[in-house]
Amino acid sequence: DTGVSQNPRHKITKRGQNVTFRCDPISEHNRLYWYRQTLGQGPEFLTYFQNEAQLEKSRLLSDRFSAERPKGSFSTLEIQRTEQGDSAMYLCASSFRDSNTEAFFGQGTRLTVV
Amino acid sequence: SQQGEEDPQALSIQEGENATMNCSYKTSINNLQWYRQNSGRGLVHLILIRSNEREKHSGRLRVTLDTSKKSSSLLITASRAADTASYFCATDLYGNNRLAFGKGNQVVVIP
Repeated sequence: DTGVSQNPRHKITKRGQNVTFRCDPISEHNRLYWYRQTLGQGPEFLTYFQNEAQLEKSRLLSDRFSAERPKGSFSTLEIQRTEQGDSAMYLCASSFRDSNTEAFFGQGTRLTVV
Repeated sequence: SQQGEEDPQALSIQEGENATMNCSYKTSINNLQWYRQNSGRGLVHLILIRSNEREKHSGRLRVTLDTSKKSSSLLITASRAADTASYFCATDLYGNNRLAFGKGNQVVVIP
């Protein structure tokens, strides 16, 4: 296991289309996080899971966004009816459940909505 | 909303010099973490410092934390061209890695 893997690395889609991203965390990690990063800004928290349970969702996560982690392993983030404002880098991270442990980030999926 | 705010926002230094970045935050934290990001790539974890720690070292990196002032600093000593990147501080309020990031510091090390 070489780290957190995200697919695809890049996605270009037309406005109004649905897109889905996948994240494969480090296998021993039971926590998985999604962040969004726009140009020139730091990442913003979207949601996180502990095993298969979604524990928190940010207000940034509108009803067009849905995230799942069905078996407590990989996770998907779906955006329905994409808008140009959804263009960003979507980052996934994973960590152990223990407090004060580092999070490991994937390379991200860059979404461009045209 | 983003909690950490880094200062300065952009830094350009000569190779071999030291680079210092500061981060301020607003609420009590469980820990504070520093990350590096190369252009268009994912984030790499550098150091985690707990709220009851004041200083931590990792190789050429030194992080301090002053909870009374709600601030942290990252020092990179003897910088190298490969240190060119954006550096972010992130606060963790509850120790669960639900992180609030600052806007980041763009550091350019000139060979």
